[in-house]
Amino acid sequence: KQEVTQIPAALSVPEGENLVLNCSFTDSAIYNLQWFRQDPGKGLTSLLLIQSSQREQTSGRLNASLDKSSGRSTLYIAASQPGDSATYLCAVGGGATNKLIFGTGTLLAVQP
Amino acid sequence: DAGVIQSPRHEVTEMGQEVTLRCKPISGHDYLFWYRQTMMRGLELLIYFNNNVPIDDSGMPEDRFSAKMPNASFSTLKIQPSEPRDSAVYFCASSLIPYEQYFGPGTRLTVT
Repeated sequence: KQEVTQIPAALSVPEGENLVLNCSFTDSAIYNLQWFRQDPGKGLTSLLLIQSSQREQTSGRLNASLDKSSGRSTLYIAASQPGDSATYLCAVGGGATNKLIFGTGTLLAVQP
Repeated sequence: DAGVIQSPRHEVTEMGQEVTLRCKPISGHDYLFWYRQTMMRGLELLIYFNNNVPIDDSGMPEDRFSAKMPNASFSTLKIQPSEPRDSAVYFCASSLIPYEQYFGPGTRLTVT
């Protein structure tokens, strides 16, 4: 059974810092991995999607990497801003089901 | 496109009452997913449909929960009778490809 873990559960950084969020998964037979952002009281917004054949994806100040063999992904946020404050979730898709398996998220606070 | 639409956005009800949550997927999407999010358990998949047919309902917690998709543009999740432990945010998501899902804003349910 696929299990997805995110560390740390919460993170507070001053504005301008570069930071890394971590996601690990137990079964490397994945179809893709996604990073989502969730603002308080809102739904999930997809940030980056990495197919299993890819190593990384970039969008603006965000870079996500994928290492299937070690069961890890990282989300790198450059030059963090207070507007980046949110919960970040990773989700793994793959296996015999059509399901996304979500991690428990990292709550990020960027202090001005 | 307006994205995935959910109603109501907030629902407060008393224990024992019937609750119906509604979802309109993105036009053309063949897959529809219902999730529940709580602090304790994170995001859990309850059930998903493909071409209006329920495919996997293994996440439905018990018989008090039921979901229907009478046509490609509408789905309901019903809880009868509701209990305080059902309090959560319920998300609907739709997709063309099962692992690339678009989420609605969610319905926050409070059962007193």
